[in-house]
Amino acid sequence: SQQGEEDPQALSIQEGENATMNCSYKTSINNLQWYRQNSGRGLVHLILIRSNEREKHSGRLRVTLDTSKKSSSLLITASRAADTASYFCATASDGGFNKFYFGSGTKLNVKP
Amino acid sequence: DTGVSQDPRHKITKRGQNVTFRCDPISEHNRLYWYRQTLGQGPEFLTYFQNEAQLEKSRLLSDRFSAERPKGSFSTLEIQRTEQGDSAMYLCASSLAGDRGIQYFGAGTRLSVL
Repeated sequence: SQQGEEDPQALSIQEGENATMNCSYKTSINNLQWYRQNSGRGLVHLILIRSNEREKHSGRLRVTLDTSKKSSSLLITASRAADTASYFCATASDGGFNKFYFGSGTKLNVKP
Repeated sequence: DTGVSQDPRHKITKRGQNVTFRCDPISEHNRLYWYRQTLGQGPEFLTYFQNEAQLEKSRLLSDRFSAERPKGSFSTLEIQRTEQGDSAMYLCASSLAGDRGIQYFGAGTRLSVL
């Protein structure tokens, strides 16, 4: 089975609110990455956090990683309608970053 | 456009037919990946190339599936004797070894098997 699992499965918020989504994984990782996918499109890399990092920021994105709990969270602040998409966490459990395990994603709907 | 490109974007075929998809990675990327994504699910790893060598294949890749990457540039994914269960989005991604494992995805090929 795939390693990463996102929670919640769906999230609906108003524009301007913050959106938080979580990811849990099962085995040790080298890094964890978050990707966004607009409907019917490919995935776009958002942010990477290494296993020895606890928090990382990029613009309106904030990612945390708790390796003891094998979990990560993605916070999008001041959401916009354009943030409407599915968000996936991806983990690589081997040392060569050869393949990712994706969860089922969180479908975010930001209402204008 | 220097991103990952996939062709065709959509493919409709009848059960039992063979189909072939093409992926052109970012030119300097030596790693290439194929994933399959069904509706409401995340992508599932199918196979991985480093240059022209196919280094890993998922158990999902039955003997009806074959992938190649001649000369380490573009890649093709062929599905023989398609089944309705093959209907999915097929995603290609590429990366540069050493670039922290960030993968760059194409827009995908959506396959519908009737």
